[in-house]
Amino acid sequence: AQSVTQPDIHITVSEGASLELRCNYSYGATPYLFWYVQSPGQGLQLLLKYFSGDTLVQGIKGFEAEFKRSQSSFNLRKPSVHWSDAAEYFCAVGMYSGGGADGLTFGKGTHLIIQP
Amino acid sequence: GAVVSQHPSRVICKSGTSVKIECRSLDFQATTMFWYRQFPKQSLMLMATSNEGSKATYEQGVEKDKFLINHASLTLSTLTVTSAHPEDSSFYICSARDYIYGYTFGSGTRLTVV
Repeated sequence: AQSVTQPDIHITVSEGASLELRCNYSYGATPYLFWYVQSPGQGLQLLLKYFSGDTLVQGIKGFEAEFKRSQSSFNLRKPSVHWSDAAEYFCAVGMYSGGGADGLTFGKGTHLIIQP
Repeated sequence: GAVVSQHPSRVICKSGTSVKIECRSLDFQATTMFWYRQFPKQSLMLMATSNEGSKATYEQGVEKDKFLINHASLTLSTLTVTSAHPEDSSFYICSARDYIYGYTFGSGTRLTVV
């Protein structure tokens, strides 16, 4: 069964500093990889996704992620965070089986706190 | 981009009653929709996969008789929590698969059973 690990439950970053959120997955093949952001009481907004091709993926709000097959990782980065980036971030993996699209498996999330 | 509308956003019901949550894809057809459950400060757990015109596929441990899923059209899936109890209180989120944006999520439904 596939699994997703986000080792950092909380991360505190100063406004303007760089950010990296870690994500490791366990799966036999290359899954489809996603990063979502969730504000309190809200649904999920897609930041970026990786299906194939270039392993460095650009997303919205200045985020990017790099797929590293050898490390089974898909870490999210941002060069300079803003106070509005404070939220919960989820890494997720999915796959397509013979029956069609499967639901996503989510990591436990990383709560990002921005210090002034 | 793809939009998924989920209603209601909040619902409070009495123990023993049933609640229906709707999930609509507004600008695309979704042959497959997914229902997730999220407990406070926890991650999303896939409950079931809803396929248009066929029975839903439930994840292990999810009671299919309690969580009824209907996917009658290419743009609408519903989740009915039957005979709700306080332990069913949670945040329910639907998602639809489209072939451009990937998985698009609804804004979620906060269910409180009193």
